[in-house]
Amino acid sequence: EDQVTQSPEALRLQEGESSSLNCSYTVSGLRGLFWYRQDPGKGPEFLFTLYSAGEEKEKERLKATLTKKESFLHITAPKPEDSATYLCAVWRGNNRLAFGKGNQVVVIP
Amino acid sequence: DGGITQSPKYLFRKEGQNVTLSCEQNLNHDAMYWYRQDPGQGLRLIYYSQIVNDFQKGDIAEGYSVSREKKESFPLTVTSAQKNPTAFYLCASSIIWGSGNTIYFGEGSWLTVV
Repeated sequence: EDQVTQSPEALRLQEGESSSLNCSYTVSGLRGLFWYRQDPGKGPEFLFTLYSAGEEKEKERLKATLTKKESFLHITAPKPEDSATYLCAVWRGNNRLAFGKGNQVVVIP
Repeated sequence: DGGITQSPKYLFRKEGQNVTLSCEQNLNHDAMYWYRQDPGQGLRLIYYSQIVNDFQKGDIAEGYSVSREKKESFPLTVTSAQKNPTAFYLCASSIIWGSGNTIYFGEGSWLTVV
């Protein structure tokens, strides 16, 4: 069964302390991996799409990378405004998105 | 501004009532979706529509119904048959349906049973 597992579930960082979030997937024939940011009580905001191993995308302090089995979302020198839940999703073989449970990040000033 | 508008933001349902959540998009997207989000779980697909006048059941369609009479609109009705409706509901859309396309989300609607 296609699955998406995100780790760690929760992460507390000091402002400026860089870290990485992991998204492991077990889908056959990757057709796209997505990262979203979700603030409490709001809808997910699209961040990145990755399609093939070795691909990297950057946006401000965030950088997403992709291998054949997992993706990492690197947060460089985070600020309190980076506090959010980060969601990973992959397209499954039946043309549906499978979502992980999210990485909840809190950045402490 | 282009986007997806969901209303109401907060909705309360009494036992035995049907309620309808509104979703409107002005992105000119063909495909639209409804997801349900519960604490500690990933988003789960309720229904999706590839194009106007077409819709398909997702993974958890029981107790829900939809319509797609206009390209811009995809309302979700939570019926009394849905035994555990309290959740955060998210409407989404993509340019076309199918693998590889980016899905964009609305701001969500909270439904609570009272």
